[in-house]
Amino acid sequence: AQTVTQSQPEMSVQEAETVTLSCTYDTSESNYYLFWYKQPPSRQMILVIRQEAYKQQNATENRFSVNFQKAAKSFSLKISDSQLGDTAMYFCALNSGSGGGADGLTFGKGTHLIIQP
Amino acid sequence: DTGVSQNPRHKITKRGQNVTFRCDPISEHNRLYWYRQTLGQGPEFLTYFQNEAQLEKSRLLSDRFSAERPKGSFSTLEIQRTEQGDSAMYLCASSLFHGYTFGSGTRLTVV
Repeated sequence: AQTVTQSQPEMSVQEAETVTLSCTYDTSESNYYLFWYKQPPSRQMILVIRQEAYKQQNATENRFSVNFQKAAKSFSLKISDSQLGDTAMYFCALNSGSGGGADGLTFGKGTHLIIQP
Repeated sequence: DTGVSQNPRHKITKRGQNVTFRCDPISEHNRLYWYRQTLGQGPEFLTYFQNEAQLEKSRLLSDRFSAERPKGSFSTLEIQRTEQGDSAMYLCASSLFHGYTFGSGTRLTVV
């Protein structure tokens, strides 16, 4: 069974600061995909960033970057120059590559990120 | 294409009634997923379709839950004899490969 653990239920930082959200996971698969999703109060889940496990280079998307440590099974999200619009629930998720997507995404419990003005 | 569409956005029903939710995926996406999200939790995978074939349904919560995707396009999720514990957000997602797009969800309240 796959598991995803987010150990920070809530974090609060000042606008323009850098914040890092933690995620650890467990899977027996050698090929898998990791995701960070953002869920604002409007409730639609939005993809922030995606990492393929076989790629050693850490994914980046503008202000968002990940620190992927495959041996440690760690996948943290760094948000630089945080903005008020970044306030949301952030979910880390895992999908096995071998199942062709049939096993869906396994989500963590989420981190509520609050950006203070 | 405007993304994944789910209807209704909200549903209030009395315990024991049947409810049906609809999901219209992105048209090019052949894979469709249903998830349930309860308050304070991450989404929980329920079932998966590739085109019209339901390839995973063992994770449906009970035999009161069923899903269809009759022509490989839109999908429906039905809950029969609803219980208060079924109150949750029901999310639909579609994908082509390993990129998942979610809808806004249907919030179900069972009273």
